[in-house]
Amino acid sequence: NAGVTQTPKFQVLKTGQSMTLQCAQDMNHNSMYWYRQDPGMGLRLIYYSASEGTTDKGEVPNGYNVSRLNKREFSLRLESAAPSQTSVYFCASSEMGQGTHEQYFGPGTRLTVT
Amino acid sequence: AQSVTQPDIHITVSEGASLELRCNYSYGATPYLFWYVQSPGQGLQLLLKYFSGDTLVQGIKGFEAEFKRSQSSFNLRKPSVHWSDAAEYFCAVSRGNTPLVFGKGTRLSVIA
Repeated sequence: NAGVTQTPKFQVLKTGQSMTLQCAQDMNHNSMYWYRQDPGMGLRLIYYSASEGTTDKGEVPNGYNVSRLNKREFSLRLESAAPSQTSVYFCASSEMGQGTHEQYFGPGTRLTVT
Repeated sequence: AQSVTQPDIHITVSEGASLELRCNYSYGATPYLFWYVQSPGQGLQLLLKYFSGDTLVQGIKGFEAEFKRSQSSFNLRKPSVHWSDAAEYFCAVSRGNTPLVFGKGTRLSVIA
C-alpha cells in the first residue's frame, strides 16, 4: 500500500516549456487535490477533483490544467511554465464529504523554472 | 469563506519544555479541524483531527489539541518537546464537503 505517489520528485524547466506532474493513490479515495507550497504562504489549493469526472478550481488555478484520468490518477499540467511557478507541488487524496475527511499527502515535486 | 490564522511564524523552544502552537479559524458553524506536521523535505503527516465530541483530542507523537468554540481556536500542545519535533506545523479547516484550507504554518525550532 503506497498511499499517494508523485512523479517526478524534482524537475527543472526553462520558461515556456510544458510538463505534466503525475499523481496516483491506491486508497480508493474519491477526491484528489493539487496544492503548491511557497515559503511563508502555506499550502494553496490549485485544483481539486471531488469525484471521478469532475474538477474544480481552487485558490490559484491560473497557468495550470488538470485531468482526472480515472479514480486513481490526477495529473497537473503546466502548459507554458513561468518563474512564478517555481514551487513545491503536493498531491493529496481523501474521502471528502464522507466520514473522516482528512487528506493524505504525497511526498511532493520540487519544480524550478529558470 | 473559511480562513485559518497561525499567528506565530517561528517558535523556538528548549528540549524538554512545553509547547503550544496557536491556531484561529474563521467559519460560521463547527468546522472540521486538523493539525499536520511537515519535516524538512517531506510531505505532510496528520497529527490529529477534531470533528465533534470531546473538545480535547489526542494525536500521534504525544501531541494534543483543544477546540474552544468561544475563541474559535484549536491550539496544539505538547508537554515536553523532543529535538525530533523540529518541523513545520500546519493547522487546517474544512466544512467536510470542501477541501482543506491551510494556515501559513509555524516553524518550530528546538534547542538543547
